[in-house]
Amino acid sequence: EPEVTQTPSHQVTQMGQEVILRCVPISNHLYFYWYRQILGQKVEFLVSFYNNEISEKSEIFDDQFSVERPDGSNFTLKIRSTKLEDSAMYFCASSAWGTDTEAFFGQGTRLTVV
Amino acid sequence: KQEVTQIPAALSVPEGENLVLNCSFTDSAIYNLQWFRQDPGKGLTSLLLIQSSQREQTSGRLNASLDKSSGRSTLYIAASQPGDSATYLCAVITDKLIFGTGTRLQVFP
Repeated sequence: EPEVTQTPSHQVTQMGQEVILRCVPISNHLYFYWYRQILGQKVEFLVSFYNNEISEKSEIFDDQFSVERPDGSNFTLKIRSTKLEDSAMYFCASSAWGTDTEAFFGQGTRLTVV
Repeated sequence: KQEVTQIPAALSVPEGENLVLNCSFTDSAIYNLQWFRQDPGKGLTSLLLIQSSQREQTSGRLNASLDKSSGRSTLYIAASQPGDSATYLCAVITDKLIFGTGTRLQVFP
């Protein structure tokens, strides 16, 4: 069964460092998303991406964040200068035709900023 | 601003019980609603997607209903098993998914 895969599963980084979280969405899907979940809190929307551009972003997704689809299969989230409060589980998701179709999530990358 | 709430926050039941998990949302202008399961420290597994034109959706022992006008969805789990123990999340869908607070379910043998 097709699935969304994320790497790494866990990343520890020092405050101020740049991190790149990687995702391989389901191959025939067109819409891609990043969400995050701070420990003990709700899953929050960060950004949606379609047709090689951001379609929507939340207020959390400030200039420190960027997304890219560098090739036909990968979808990345970059955090330029990490802060302690960026520590969270980051989930990538994809859907075939946007919000009218089921969204499938990856297993997540646990980011710990020290 | 859309707020999504799930009741109860936690539930502990013996194996075999039929369960109802509740999800309420403040703005009925949604496209669809999706239910997920989350195991501790893991990702989100999609259980059911209910499109706005549907009133319910079934998959195996799971049945989800949607009443947009009253801002409610319920997830019914029949004959619960210990393997059903997890956190269950609902998400209302507009141009993105807005998640609820979750119900942490424990089913004991």
